[in-house]
Amino acid sequence: EAQVTQNPRYLITVTGKKLTVTCSQNMNHEYMSWYRQDPGLGLRQIYYSMNVEVTDKGDVPEGYKVSRKEKRNFPLILESPSPNQTSLYFCASSLGQGEAKNIQYFGAGTRLSVL
Amino acid sequence: AQSVTQLDSQVPVFEEAPVELRCNYSSSVSVYLFWYVQYPNQGLQLLLKYLSGSTLVKGINGFEAEFNKSQTSFHLRKPSVHISDTAEYFCAVRRGGATNKLIFGTGTLLAVQP
Repeated sequence: EAQVTQNPRYLITVTGKKLTVTCSQNMNHEYMSWYRQDPGLGLRQIYYSMNVEVTDKGDVPEGYKVSRKEKRNFPLILESPSPNQTSLYFCASSLGQGEAKNIQYFGAGTRLSVL
Repeated sequence: AQSVTQLDSQVPVFEEAPVELRCNYSSSVSVYLFWYVQYPNQGLQLLLKYLSGSTLVKGINGFEAEFNKSQTSFHLRKPSVHISDTAEYFCAVRRGGATNKLIFGTGTLLAVQP
């Protein structure tokens, strides 16, 4: 089954404790992206990757890091989490550029609470 | 810069009634338009999309949307809603070209009541 898998689904942590949220897709997609969802703000893009070893900032990259060493994986790293990073995070992927290819598929989400 | 406006944060409606969820976008260039649905405690699922061609697009679960370039709108409609349609609906726009970036609206909660 084609899917985008995020882990963990729920995470409670404390300020300053490094954490990684994993994202994996099994569709051989080139493009992957991370979003955060906050009430009243919709989804905002954090980082994206056009292909292996190619990443770039989205609209709200501060406090986050990503890497793309393999095509299927795109982990989101919070080196020193803060309470304002408490949010619902979504990973998404799409086949690549171009009209018909640009359907983004989303993971089930990771709900993060930073205390 | 592109933006997407969903004016209604919540739309209450009775079961079997028709519904329209409004979406307006701002862009001076060609765009691709999407509606995603998020059921409680789940991820986003693509409901329908406009890429080109016919301005009336049909999606899953009986939803449809009409692209209106002159009014820069992409409103979502369903003639008769069910309890199971209760969810949050997000309109999103992507500009034509190299970037795959989606700009999302703030979402509309469709609350279907019996």
